[in-house]
Amino acid sequence: DVKVTQSSRYLVKRTGEKVFLECVQDMDHENMFWYRQDPGLGLRLIYFSYDVKMKEKGDIPEGYSVSREKKERFSLILESASTNQTSMYLCASWAGANTGELFFGEGSRLTVL
Amino acid sequence: GQQVMQIPQYQHVQEGEDFTTYCNSSTTLSNIQWYKQRPGGHPVFLIQLVKSGEVKKQKRLTFQFGEAKKNSSLHITATQTTDVGTYFCADNTGGFKTIFGAGTRLFVKA
Repeated sequence: DVKVTQSSRYLVKRTGEKVFLECVQDMDHENMFWYRQDPGLGLRLIYFSYDVKMKEKGDIPEGYSVSREKKERFSLILESASTNQTSMYLCASWAGANTGELFFGEGSRLTVL
Repeated sequence: GQQVMQIPQYQHVQEGEDFTTYCNSSTTLSNIQWYKQRPGGHPVFLIQLVKSGEVKKQKRLTFQFGEAKKNSSLHITATQTTDVGTYFCADNTGGFKTIFGAGTRLFVKA
């Protein structure tokens, strides 16, 4: 059974703290993604990676960075958390062009105080 | 950049009524995908449409891709309370980068 696992379901951080959100997939997918989800805005792409050590900016990369040191792991980093980064963060991996299916993790709800 | 517009934002229906959500793009899409997100859950892939004019069915769900490949719809016949959630269309035209619409949240009253 395919699985995308996000390290934390709920986090509460203070403004200015560094935040790591980790995501692991067990499907040997090459492409992985980080989205944030906010009410009325849908899912917005932050960053994606198509290979180890490779990354591309999505639509809203400001204030975020990512790391992909191993194929199965894709981390999202908030260098200095701000209150407007309070959101639900969803990691996904891509099954490829054949089905186009994205497999999502359960999500990490981050609150920045 | 790529953008898909989805309407309506919300829909309240009585159980047994039909429901439709629409997705539109100003540019031609290579394909369109649909996802469902239950309350408190994560998006789950439903289907991908690739061909112009394509129609696919999954039980009570009917998915259509427009002839010009600029719009798509998801229709649910005789809604049930288990259909509650948010339905997203998504554009995978850019290759492996998937862009989502804002979603339509469906409420079903028993």
